[in-house]
Amino acid sequence: KNQVEQSPQSLIILEGKNCTLQCNYTVSPFSNLRWYKQDTGRGPVSLTIMTFSENTKSNGRYTATLDADTKQSSLHITASQLSDSASYICVVSAKEGNKLVFGAGTILRVKS
Amino acid sequence: NAGVTQTPKFQVLKTGQSMTLQCAQDMNHEYMSWYRQDPGMGLRLIHYSVGAGITDQGEVPNGYNVSRSTTEDFPLRLLSAAPSQTSVYFCASSYTLGGFPYFGPGTRLLVL
Repeated sequence: KNQVEQSPQSLIILEGKNCTLQCNYTVSPFSNLRWYKQDTGRGPVSLTIMTFSENTKSNGRYTATLDADTKQSSLHITASQLSDSASYICVVSAKEGNKLVFGAGTILRVKS
Repeated sequence: NAGVTQTPKFQVLKTGQSMTLQCAQDMNHEYMSWYRQDPGMGLRLIHYSVGAGITDQGEVPNGYNVSRSTTEDFPLRLLSAAPSQTSVYFCASSYTLGGFPYFGPGTRLLVL
């Protein structure tokens, strides 16, 4: 069964600290993976997309990694800011059936 | 571009009432979809459309109807609301079927 599991479910960190969010998937055959950021009361917004051949991609203080062999992705946030407080959703695209599989998300809270 | 817009932002219904959630996009995307988001769960696909006049069921279609008369608009209808339909609803559009979507701001629905 195609699944996406994210960990941790929630995380609290101090402003300025780094953190890493995990995404493990069983989607096969894999097409690509995208991380979304969802602020409270808003719709998800794309942060970065990873294709099968990419290992690392950065978007400012956000760095996503992908290991297609172990079917794992991570989102690393550097020097966190209060505005990073949000839910981060991992979404995996399956080649067959044009299907998207959504993770439940990690809720990040950055404290001052 | 406004992107994907949704109305209303918030709605309270009584059990058995009907209503329509509106969705529009100005990106000329052929593909549009409706998701619901519940606490602790990933976004779940309700219905989707691959173009004007063509709709299909997603993962959780029961209790919902859709139609697509134009490329821009994709309303979601609840014919007889039930408390189980209390959720946050997101409309989305994408360039391709199975492509990563652009989301609207969401409609928060409470059914009493």
